[in-house]
Amino acid sequence: GQNIDQPTEMTATEGAIVQINCTYQTSGFNGLFWYQQHAGEAPTFLSYNVLDGLEEKGRFSSFLSRSKGYSYLLLKELQMKDSASYLCAVRDSNYQLIWGAGTKLIIKP
Amino acid sequence: NAGVTQTPKFQVLKTGQSMTLQCAQDMNHEYMSWYRQDPGMGLRLIHYSVGAGITDQGEVPNGYNVSRSTTEDFPLRLLSAAPSQTSVYFCASSYNEQGQPQHFGDGTRLSIL
Repeated sequence: GQNIDQPTEMTATEGAIVQINCTYQTSGFNGLFWYQQHAGEAPTFLSYNVLDGLEEKGRFSSFLSRSKGYSYLLLKELQMKDSASYLCAVRDSNYQLIWGAGTKLIIKP
Repeated sequence: NAGVTQTPKFQVLKTGQSMTLQCAQDMNHEYMSWYRQDPGMGLRLIHYSVGAGITDQGEVPNGYNVSRSTTEDFPLRLLSAAPSQTSVYFCASSYNEQGQPQHFGDGTRLSIL
């Protein structure tokens, strides 16, 4: 079967750095996405990785290792508004997105 | 720039009733999809469409129908509502199904009593 694993919940301090991990086992791989979802709202796109390595976008970076079936999302200089769920999704060999259950990130002052 | 518009935002149904959740996008996207989101679970694909006139089943299609008569619209029909269909439903669209991020509507919160 296909599986995406993420921690259920993480807590971090405002101004700090947090790394959210995602491991996957899918039938094929055609890219990995990270989305942010605030409570009661729609998911919004953060990043996309299809090749190994680090993609940086401002305070957010995403890393991919295809051989290890592993990705992480790195959030720097945390702000209170970063409190949200972070969803990892992998596009499989049929180009369908397989979604993790999401990681709820709680930011404390 | 409306993006993806879903209606209604909230709905309460009785078991056995039918209804249609509306989804429209104004970005000329070919790919559209419907997901349901339940607590503790990832988004699950119900149905999707790669273009007008073409639809296909996702992971959890039972109890739902879709049609795609135009590029813009992709309604989801619940045939005979069941309590197990209580969920938050999201419609999403993207330029195509390959490597493009999906844009989501605001969701429909559906309760079946």
